[in-house]
Amino acid sequence: QKEVEQNSGPLSVPEGAIASLNCTYSDRGSQSFFWYRQYSGKSPELIMFIYSNGDKEDGRFTAQLNKASQYVSLLIRDSQPSDSATYLCAAYSGAGSYQLTFGKGTKLSVIP
Amino acid sequence: EPEVTQTPSHQVTQMGQEVILRCVPISNHLYFYWYRQILGQKVEFLVSFYNNEISEKSEIFDDQFSVERPDGSNFTLKIRSTKLEDSAMYFCASSEGAQADEQYFGPGTRLTVT
Repeated sequence: QKEVEQNSGPLSVPEGAIASLNCTYSDRGSQSFFWYRQYSGKSPELIMFIYSNGDKEDGRFTAQLNKASQYVSLLIRDSQPSDSATYLCAAYSGAGSYQLTFGKGTKLSVIP
Repeated sequence: EPEVTQTPSHQVTQMGQEVILRCVPISNHLYFYWYRQILGQKVEFLVSFYNNEISEKSEIFDDQFSVERPDGSNFTLKIRSTKLEDSAMYFCASSEGAQADEQYFGPGTRLTVT
């Protein structure tokens, strides 16, 4: 059973701080990883994806991947109240599979 | 910016009735997906579709479910005989390629089975 695990939170950070969101996955064959943001009652919105070990930066967001530890993280710098949402980690297992396996998500609250 | 669209936004139906959820994927995308999210739970994969056939389906996607691309733009999910436990948000997604390509989600259809 392929699993993606996330701490459900809530994670509260003050405005302007760095928010750190973490995710682990069970399938060592997973090839690529995605971070989605989901506002309450809305659909998942793609923020970033990462395939290779190391860091990938896009604006205020940095995704980090460590395949040896089966660990993915998302850092949000200069957090804003509008970043308050649930952040979903998802993994592609590859090997002919087309599906994304999602974690339950971490709820982030940015306090003004 | 191109986006996935879904209709209706909310569908209420009685148990045992058939429902069809509709999606228009992003125009140059070739792979289409349905996911569902029961309230308070994780997003779950139902089915993927490519070249007019199902490429993968989950255990959830049993005989009561079917998908179709009736024309060049629409992609539909049919639930033949709805059950109370089918109540969920249903999301359509599309990607340009498969396997590691980014999937973009539509706004969802909230299905309520009474």
